[in-house]
Amino acid sequence: NAGVTQTPKFQVLKTGQSMTLQCAQDMNHNSMYWYRQDPGMGLRLIYYSASEGTTDKGEVPNGYNVSRLNKREFSLRLESAAPSQTSVYFCASTMDWTGLRETQYFGPGTRLLVL
Amino acid sequence: KQEVTQIPAALSVPEGENLVLNCSFTDSAIYNLQWFRQDPGKGLTSLLLIQSSQREQTSGRLNASLDKSSGRSTLYIAASQPGDSATYLCAVKTSYDKVIFGPGTSLSVIP
Repeated sequence: NAGVTQTPKFQVLKTGQSMTLQCAQDMNHNSMYWYRQDPGMGLRLIYYSASEGTTDKGEVPNGYNVSRLNKREFSLRLESAAPSQTSVYFCASTMDWTGLRETQYFGPGTRLLVL
Repeated sequence: KQEVTQIPAALSVPEGENLVLNCSFTDSAIYNLQWFRQDPGKGLTSLLLIQSSQREQTSGRLNASLDKSSGRSTLYIAASQPGDSATYLCAVKTSYDKVIFGPGTSLSVIP
């Protein structure tokens, strides 16, 4: 199993450009998440999908949109990138949203620089 | 508002030492607490997950304890090795849609 994969690994954007970060998991997990990690701020939840067909806002959703394409894939879109969105983005998944099967599995991250 | 802190921010120990990393949270109403390891430039790897009804979990040389009433968790690493060098983060789940991460403890194990 590849676990959680993310593409691209690194991206440079100019202010105002758009892009989509891709995430896929092959563990048959129901729930998927997008986080951003910034120095001094730790990891913060952007959006999550508790199950296929549902998405909800997390702590810092402004400037982002998501799509749960199917059970495996969960994408994050920046419609008009801003320098404040420079960060490392992590996708994660869990078997379930609650209970004992909540161990989070993380992807390797996407490093995004917005100029 | 739930806040998660980790002390110390950085720790350097000689190989073979036993060590304890600390995680504190301000609101005891949590669903679970998870310990992660993060290597430089990499994603997070889950080490141990403790449900709110549990007191501890063990995996190999790692033991994590949870005391909800005092808002504390500790991660005990026995017989540390250079390969244990990484940043260790704790995270608490406070509701169905909220997971709060601590800032992490950077651990260096010196050969």
